[in-house]
Amino acid sequence: GAVVSQHPSRVICKSGTSVKIECRSLDFQATTMFWYRQFPKQSLMLMATSNEGSKATYEQGVEKDKFLINHASLTLSTLTVTSAHPEDSSFYICSARAYLFLRDSSSQETQYFGPGTRLLVL
Amino acid sequence: QQQVKQSPQSLIVQKGGISIINCAYENTAFDYFPWYQQFPGKGPALLIAIRPDVSEKKEGRFTISFNKSAKQFSLHIMDSQPGDSATYFCAASLGTGRRALTFGSGTRLQVQP
Repeated sequence: GAVVSQHPSRVICKSGTSVKIECRSLDFQATTMFWYRQFPKQSLMLMATSNEGSKATYEQGVEKDKFLINHASLTLSTLTVTSAHPEDSSFYICSARAYLFLRDSSSQETQYFGPGTRLLVL
Repeated sequence: QQQVKQSPQSLIVQKGGISIINCAYENTAFDYFPWYQQFPGKGPALLIAIRPDVSEKKEGRFTISFNKSAKQFSLHIMDSQPGDSATYFCAASLGTGRRALTFGSGTRLQVQP
């Protein structure tokens, strides 16, 4: 399957600082990437949809000025948590949309996830 | 409003047994239903997926059963192994996978040796 990387894998920062998380599609181009947030032992919640060359679309309740998303190229989307606070501590996971080629020679668009970034704000 | 309900929350199965996880959805416009496996501290990995025009799909030890009229789908793991111990998420999407995923709440599977 397609490979998606994230950097850093974990970050610890002081309250009030900004943190940038990178999401890269390594062997394919992704016009659309998604950012999710996951609290311990909970499900993934969509934060925003990132489209290359245009503004991100944020889900209801997600502050766009706090979670800045930039999708400047077909292989890179970044999420910047501005003025981070302890309540922003979470596991942030990106996904990239790609084609999955099936055994019957058809294809299906699906999402491949990165390994996640653990953010701890002190 | 939780659009995809998943059960059970946790599941313990003996090695070699069958693990069954169920999901129900509310939005009849969903047209793509993947299952993901997640190990602690890692991102979800795509296991298998199905579209509503198919009632069953099998890949190796993993099978999805889909009941469109009941708006339910399930994951069956045959011959469960300790290495299958992980959290499993069902999901649903619009636009045949083009849109963002709505995830179920997850099932923590433990396969005992």
